[in-house]
Amino acid sequence: ELKVEQNPLFLSMQEGKNYTIYCNYSTTSDRLYWYRQDPGKSLESLFVLLSNGAVKQEGRLMASLDTKARLSTLHITAAVHDLSATYFCAVGPTLGGSQGNLIFGKGTKLSVKP
Amino acid sequence: ETGVTQSPTHLIKTRGQQVTLRCSSQSGHNTVSWYQQALGQGPQFIFQYYREEENGRGNFPPRFSGLQFPNYSSELNVNALELDDSALYLCASSPGQDYGYTFGSGTRLTVV
Repeated sequence: ELKVEQNPLFLSMQEGKNYTIYCNYSTTSDRLYWYRQDPGKSLESLFVLLSNGAVKQEGRLMASLDTKARLSTLHITAAVHDLSATYFCAVGPTLGGSQGNLIFGKGTKLSVKP
Repeated sequence: ETGVTQSPTHLIKTRGQQVTLRCSSQSGHNTVSWYQQALGQGPQFIFQYYREEENGRGNFPPRFSGLQFPNYSSELNVNALELDDSALYLCASSPGQDYGYTFGSGTRLTVV
C-alpha cells in the first residue's frame, strides 16, 4: 500500500527565512504533485513533477523530485506572510494505474509570522 | 474556459439520510475524481470516472456511488449517512495525469 509522509506537519517561520518541506513515499512512482490549501478553501495546484530530477520554481517556491530516493521537497525562499497555508504533496500512480488515484500526505501547515 | 464547480457549497443532513453532490468538470476534461477530506487530514480518494465508466475506487463502502454524464459532469451519492461522513467533498478533473488535477471548491457536508 502506497503511503505518503510529509514533514514537518506544522511549521512556524519568520518572514525572510528559508525552509524545506519533505515528502517521502513508500512505493515506486514518477508522478508527484504539490498543492496549496487555504483555510476553508479547495486545493490549488502548485507543481506537477513527472520525472526523476524534475525541478520547478514559481516565485518563492521550488519543488524537486528524486524518484530513486522516493523523495520530493518543497523549498521556500525568503518567506512572506502570504505563503501561510497548508501544503500537500500527492503521489500519482505509475503508468497504467488509475490516474485519478492520488495518495495525499497529511499536509504541512505553514504559518509565516512578521 | 471555466473551472470545476461544485454544488451545493454547504449541506446539513441527518444520519441515515441520502445525499447527492454535484460537480461540473472543466471544459475538455473527461476524467473526474472524487475525494473526501476530513478536518485536518489530506484528501482520500473515493473513486474516479472516465468517459462515464468507473475507473478506480478507493477504500470506501458501496453506499458511496457515483455517475458521470455525457457532458462530463458528475454526481457523488452517499446512502445511509453516518456521522463520520461529515467532511469536505472535493471533485477534481483532469485532461490527463501529466497535466495535474483541477479541484473544485468542495461541498462541506455535516451529518448530525
